[in-house]
Amino acid sequence: AQKVTQAQTEISVVEKEDVTLDCVYETRDTTYYLFWYKQPPSGELVFLIRRNSFDEQNEISGRYSWNFQKSTSSFNFTITASQVVDSAVYFCALSDYTNAGKSTFGDGTTLTVKP
Amino acid sequence: GAGVSQTPSNKVTEKGKYVELRCDPISGHTALYWYRQSLGQGPEFLIYFQGTGAADDSGLPNDRFFAVRPEGSVSTLKIQRTERGDSAVYLCASSLRGGANGWTGELFFGEGSRLTVL
Repeated sequence: AQKVTQAQTEISVVEKEDVTLDCVYETRDTTYYLFWYKQPPSGELVFLIRRNSFDEQNEISGRYSWNFQKSTSSFNFTITASQVVDSAVYFCALSDYTNAGKSTFGDGTTLTVKP
Repeated sequence: GAGVSQTPSNKVTEKGKYVELRCDPISGHTALYWYRQSLGQGPEFLIYFQGTGAADDSGLPNDRFFAVRPEGSVSTLKIQRTERGDSAVYLCASSLRGGANGWTGELFFGEGSRLTVL
């Protein structure tokens, strides 16, 4: 069975601080996908990134970066120079390779960025 | 609009009643997913359609839940004899394809239908 753990339930930072959201996963599959989604107060989940299990390169997109370490089964998400608009619930998710849209989600981390 | 549309946005019903929730995916998306999100938790997979057929319904909690997608576009999630434990936000998502081959990796979610069973 697959499992995703986001140990940080809530994080609060002041604007311009860097913040890292942790994600640890469990799976018996050798190939899989990992995802991060953002859920703002409006409720609509917004896709941020997908990672294949065989690609451990870190990725940067603007102020966002992702660190995938297969050895520790972690897929952490860092926001650099946080902004108030980053306030949301962030979900990490895992799916197997045969049905990538069928994901197991963590319980999310609520990020609050204060001005 | 261009996104995934879900109706109603809010539904309050009494225990034992029948409920239908509708999802209109992005045009051209062949794959459609239903998830359920309880308060303070992440979404849980319910069912996946590829075209008109339910390719994977392993997440449906029991036989009170049923979903259809008769023409390969709009889908309806049906809940019979609702119980208080069914209260949640029901999310629909679509993507160009459902499988691994050629899939862009992006699911597009709607804003959800909030179901409250009194």
